[in-house]
Amino acid sequence: AQKVTQAQTEISVVEKEDVTLDCVYETRDTTYYLFWYKQPPSGELVFLIRRNSFDEQNEISGRYSWNFQKSTSSFNFTITASQVVDSAVYFCALSEMNRDDKIIFGKGTRLHILP
Amino acid sequence: DGGITQSPKYLFRKEGQNVTLSCEQNLNHDAMYWYRQDPGQGLRLIYYSQIVNDFQKGDIAEGYSVSREKKESFPLTVTSAQKNPTAFYLCASRWDRTAGELFFGEGSRLTVL
Repeated sequence: AQKVTQAQTEISVVEKEDVTLDCVYETRDTTYYLFWYKQPPSGELVFLIRRNSFDEQNEISGRYSWNFQKSTSSFNFTITASQVVDSAVYFCALSEMNRDDKIIFGKGTRLHILP
Repeated sequence: DGGITQSPKYLFRKEGQNVTLSCEQNLNHDAMYWYRQDPGQGLRLIYYSQIVNDFQKGDIAEGYSVSREKKESFPLTVTSAQKNPTAFYLCASRWDRTAGELFFGEGSRLTVL
């Protein structure tokens, strides 16, 4: 069965520290897509990244980076030099090629960046 | 600008009343979705639609109904049969059934009094 686990319910770090949000997934498919979304206090989810199962290259976008490792079924998200504006709930999600169009979300990690 | 519009943003309802949440998109996406969010529960799928006049139940469809008469519109009705309707409801759409990312509306917060 497909499943996404974000074991960290809540994290607090001081501004400028680096922080990593963990995401572990389960799937039987060989073709699938992984996503990260940010939900600021306003409530709307903002798309951050999509990664397909055949591309294990790490991705960097400014202060954000993602580490995809199929061997451990993980797709972790690191924020470098965190800022107060990074405070939000972050969701990891999985979409399988042969599954009926569902995207399954983890329960989210609430990140507090303290000034 | 292209996007998804949900209304109303806040809604109060008395027990036993049905209420309909609106979701409109101008992204020309075929697939549309309704999620429910409760504190600590993440997002749970209520209903989704891949094409006009067709929709499927998600994981928590009981007490909800939808329609998809137009590509742009996917309204959700929370019926009186839904035992615990107070929640944050998010509508989303995407251009590709598997690979595409979801685009979300701003959400509708429903409170049952």
